[in-house]
Amino acid sequence: RKEVEQDPGPFNVPEGATVAFNCTYSNSASQSFFWYRQDCRKEPKLLMSVYSSGNEDGRFTAQLNRASQYISLLIRDSKLSDSATYLCNQGGKLIFGQGTELSVKP
Amino acid sequence: GAGVSQTPSNKVTEKGKYVELRCDPISGHTALYWYRQSLGQGPEFLIYFQGTGAADDSGLPNDRFFAVRPEGSVSTLKIQRTERGDSAVYLCASSLSARGAGAYEQYFGPGTRLTVT
Repeated sequence: RKEVEQDPGPFNVPEGATVAFNCTYSNSASQSFFWYRQDCRKEPKLLMSVYSSGNEDGRFTAQLNRASQYISLLIRDSKLSDSATYLCNQGGKLIFGQGTELSVKP
Repeated sequence: GAGVSQTPSNKVTEKGKYVELRCDPISGHTALYWYRQSLGQGPEFLIYFQGTGAADDSGLPNDRFFAVRPEGSVSTLKIQRTERGDSAVYLCASSLSARGAGAYEQYFGPGTRLTVT
């Protein structure tokens, strides 16, 4: 099993939809997790940090389930501009998931 | 303020040549990371500096790869005898010094796209 594994995607959703994808991790000692967003041919940019059970920022909610060792990202009311690849990073381990591609269609 | 900068943005080199890639981190960030990313994959860790010293170089694929950060700021990734398989985007990131690598958010530079022909 890879140390950080993400839903492979791609996720194709209509504008306004709610979409969620998961990231599983193997190191139970991690205290922090991060979601990054990466647009095509651009660098990753920090989207959300998660240090406890979860975090919410507008339409985005990240939830951490330590018992099952996964972290999820929920996007409500999807916008066309949300189309990107979302990367999960396990803090303290310099490992990224392979990314989940999201495509929001009109 | 200024973000992480990387130069060059693109580098095309012939197989067997030597290349240097430069990273200028965010001022005040003592942790600096090098990754490489191939199409459709997440960033792959190469090396991490805390200050001037390489705290973890376990991701360097072989001894053709080397990185330095002599004054604790700018870092250079050096690749000797380049191979076609080295073609990728090389990303640099920086973060505040922390309780261990990656415990703080990382801020990425725009990357250097390396093509080995």
